[in-house]
Amino acid sequence: AQSVSQHNHHVILSEAASLELGCNYSYGGTVNLFWYVQYPGQHLQLLLKYFSGDPLVKGIKGFEAEFIKSKFSFNLRKPSVQWSDTAEYFCAVKLRGGKLIFGQGTELSVKP
Amino acid sequence: EAGVAQSPRYKIIEKRQSVAFWCNPISGHATLYWYQQILGQGPKLLIQFQNNGVVDDSQLPKDRFSAERLKGVDSTLKIQPAKLEDSAVYLCASSLDSGTGSNEQFFGPGTRLTVL
Repeated sequence: AQSVSQHNHHVILSEAASLELGCNYSYGGTVNLFWYVQYPGQHLQLLLKYFSGDPLVKGIKGFEAEFIKSKFSFNLRKPSVQWSDTAEYFCAVKLRGGKLIFGQGTELSVKP
Repeated sequence: EAGVAQSPRYKIIEKRQSVAFWCNPISGHATLYWYQQILGQGPKLLIQFQNNGVVDDSQLPKDRFSAERLKGVDSTLKIQPAKLEDSAVYLCASSLDSGTGSNEQFFGPGTRLTVL
C-alpha cells in the first residue's frame, strides 16, 4: 500500500538554524510530491510541489525540497529558520486520480 | 479569490448522535475532497467528487458516513451514528482540475468534531 513516512514528529530549533525535514514515500508509479504547511490557527497551505523536471524545487518563504528518486525521498530544507516558521509540516504524495496520501506531520518549533 | 468555506468550525456531540458538515469549494473547482485528520496524524481521504460524481470513496466507512455533492458545487458530509473514534478535524479541499493534473488542492479551515 502507498504510504508516506516523515522521520521526525517534533523538531525544536533556534532562529537562524538550518532545517531539514525528512520524507520518504512508498509508491511505484510516477510521483507528484508536495509539502504543505499549517501555521497555528490557519488552514493547510501549499509550500511547494514537484511534478517533473528539476528535482530541486523552490517554494515560498525560502523553503526548498529535493526529490531523490533512488531513495524515494523528498526532504524539505531551509538554510535559516525564523520564529514565524513555527508550524506543522506535512509531506504528501499524489496518486493517479488526485488522491493525496499524507505523512503524519512534523511539528516545528522555532525558539526566538 | 475566496477560499474553501466550511461550517461549522466546531461541533461537540454525544456518541450515537448524528452530525453534518458543509463545504463550499472555490468557485469553478471541479474536484472536491473530504479528508479526516485524527490528532497526531496526517489527513486521510474519505471521499473525492468530480463535479457531482464520486471518484473515490474507498476509505469512507459507508455504514455510518455519507456524502453528497448534488449540484456539483457545495457538499455535505454526514455521520450517523457517531462513534468516539470519529473525533477528528474534517477537512474539505478543492482543485481546479480532475485531480490528475498539476493543480494543487486548496484546503478549508476544517470542522473540529468532538464525540463524547
